[in-house]
Amino acid sequence: AQSVTQPDIHITVSEGASLELRCNYSYGATPYLFWYVQSPGQGLQLLLKYFSGDTLVQGIKGFEAEFKRSQSSFNLRKPSVHWSDAAEYFCAVVAPSSNTGKLIFGQGTTLQVKP
Amino acid sequence: ETGVTQTPRHLVMGMTNKKSLKCEQHLGHNAMYWYKQSAKKPLELMFVYNFKEQTENNSVPSRFSPECPNSSHLFLHLHTLQPEDSALYLCASSQPTSGGDETQYFGPGTRLLVL
Repeated sequence: AQSVTQPDIHITVSEGASLELRCNYSYGATPYLFWYVQSPGQGLQLLLKYFSGDTLVQGIKGFEAEFKRSQSSFNLRKPSVHWSDAAEYFCAVVAPSSNTGKLIFGQGTTLQVKP
Repeated sequence: ETGVTQTPRHLVMGMTNKKSLKCEQHLGHNAMYWYKQSAKKPLELMFVYNFKEQTENNSVPSRFSPECPNSSHLFLHLHTLQPEDSALYLCASSQPTSGGDETQYFGPGTRLLVL
């Protein structure tokens, strides 16, 4: 079955430290890949997406993600975390054959930032 | 207003009540979605509408009844809900493509509590 795995349910980093959030997918073909962020009490905001082309994708708020086909991964990174980055992060995929744009989400990773 | 809006933002209802959630998108999109976000669970797709036609019902109980009168508006009518239906209900919209390479934009959600 198609699935998305975010192995880390909760991560704590110090402000100014680097961050990497992991995402692995299970699909026969390369899906379309997304990272969303959700602040408490808010909806989901798109950080970045990968459809094709350059495997290193730049997003908003200083985030980037790298698609690695060999590892079926799309990890999210940020070189220096800010306190305002504390939120929940969701990786999501759409099957390339989809005709409804149906998003499959991972469980989410909650990021805590220490001062 | 811009983006995707949802009203109300918070709703408390009894199990015998009837209420409706409203979603409006100002992005000119032709696809709209309802998701359910419960604690400790991945986001669950409930319904998909493309050009006002329902294209997906993800085995949602009949006590949830969607309505899409036009491409900009989506409703979720609720009746005789159960306490386990308490969750954050998120609406999203996108512009459909033939290959699924589309991006969904989310509203802020309605926090529902069923007593």
